[in-house]
Amino acid sequence: ETGVTQTPRHLVMGMTNKKSLKCEQHLGHNAMYWYKQSAKKPLELMFVYNFKEQTENNSVPSRFSPECPNSSHLFLHLHTLQPEDSALYLCASSQEVGTGGYEQYFGPGTRLTVT
Amino acid sequence: GQNIDQPTEMTATEGAIVQINCTYQTSGFNGLFWYQQHAGEAPTFLSYNVLDGLEEKGRFSSFLSRSKGYSYLLLKELQMKDSASYLCAVYDSNYQLIWGAGTKLIIKP
Repeated sequence: ETGVTQTPRHLVMGMTNKKSLKCEQHLGHNAMYWYKQSAKKPLELMFVYNFKEQTENNSVPSRFSPECPNSSHLFLHLHTLQPEDSALYLCASSQEVGTGGYEQYFGPGTRLTVT
Repeated sequence: GQNIDQPTEMTATEGAIVQINCTYQTSGFNGLFWYQQHAGEAPTFLSYNVLDGLEEKGRFSSFLSRSKGYSYLLLKELQMKDSASYLCAVYDSNYQLIWGAGTKLIIKP
């Protein structure tokens, strides 16, 4: 595997379900990100981890819970979601946070539908 | 607040040239990125500008004017595969990446 991978690619879940999204990067990067992408809206940064430490939590509802066990893996645990949470969830990685010039590499995303 | 503006949609003809503009108002500036995103796929990095001027990379060029808070992406010799959304993003003073909503580019034969 190369680059950034995400599983599952598609997920349909009810509002009472619990599920997890997984992201893995094979680039040797130290920073990982979760984004939400809704149609015709800018990418919304949800969480940032730098060297396994969470550095950003942009007022994300508690029904989204991130986990970063090491610099290569990132999870997003989902529970009691709402229909408006339906979106494409993108994972990204970069060399590190806090210095310029490092582009972010994105995974293919998980298309989430909440019914 | 912080804001990045791009046109929502543009249409161009195969073989032609198109310029996609991006204006930004952010708290500080530490660089500007352009990404390409095909429908249903991940965004992929195109270019990075931190100093004023033009950066050329094959058929794609990106320009930056920090004093005007302005950038553009220039695509030459358009091909059908260039149909995609183009995202502008700016690093603010805290190195947080602020994203525009993207410009959907439609290429017609």
